[in-house]
Amino acid sequence: EVQLVESGGGLVKPGGSLRLSCAASGFTFSSYSMNWVRQAPGKGLEWVSSISSTSGYIYYADSVKGRFTISRDNAKSSLYLQMNSLRAEDTAVYYCARDVTGGGSPWYFDSWGQGALVTVSS
Amino acid sequence: DIQMTQSPSTLSASVGDRVTITCRASQSISSWLAWYQQKPGKAPKLLIYKASSLESGVPSRFSGSGSGTEFTLTISSLQPDDFATYYCQQYNSYSLTFGGGTKVEIK
Repeated sequence: EVQLVESGGGLVKPGGSLRLSCAASGFTFSSYSMNWVRQAPGKGLEWVSSISSTSGYIYYADSVKGRFTISRDNAKSSLYLQMNSLRAEDTAVYYCARDVTGGGSPWYFDSWGQGALVTVSS
Repeated sequence: DIQMTQSPSTLSASVGDRVTITCRASQSISSWLAWYQQKPGKAPKLLIYKASSLESGVPSRFSGSGSGTEFTLTISSLQPDDFATYYCQQYNSYSLTFGGGTKVEIK
């Protein structure tokens, strides 16, 4: 069974930093691209970032480019999101999501974690 | 970025009703469209990909159609478990975008 478990969420002040992790199990992690998708309270879904299976292709939404960094450790079956210069508008539940492909552009997501809440507030 | 517009934003329906949700893209995305279902406090669940392909394990009352810029998700006979919010998502461009969502409520 595919399992994705996010951790690292919490309360942070504007301008601060936070690192999210996603631990994967139940599948060959190194074969799949992975993504972060967020959802602000009461709002819709917003794709944040994607990383291909070998980290050769990385993409970001314009809203986080230059502030967030996605990475992965295939040996540890883990995905990460380093979030710097956080703003109030970054407040959201952040989901780790498995892409159906392994390389190139992101496609769509067939497995999701339960989400980690990030709150940016003074 | 490609903009995705869903309608309606809210839909009230009864068990057994046929329900149709529309998703429009700001430019042609061929058939590169997925549909998800999300229940409160839960992660989204994939229903349909490539506009009309049913994800394994998803009930056959769900179907998708369309290509280019206009797409529909149809639930042929609404069941109690189907009351949720539905999102479309395009993957024609690497900058993925979702529709704003359609909440299906009990009438």
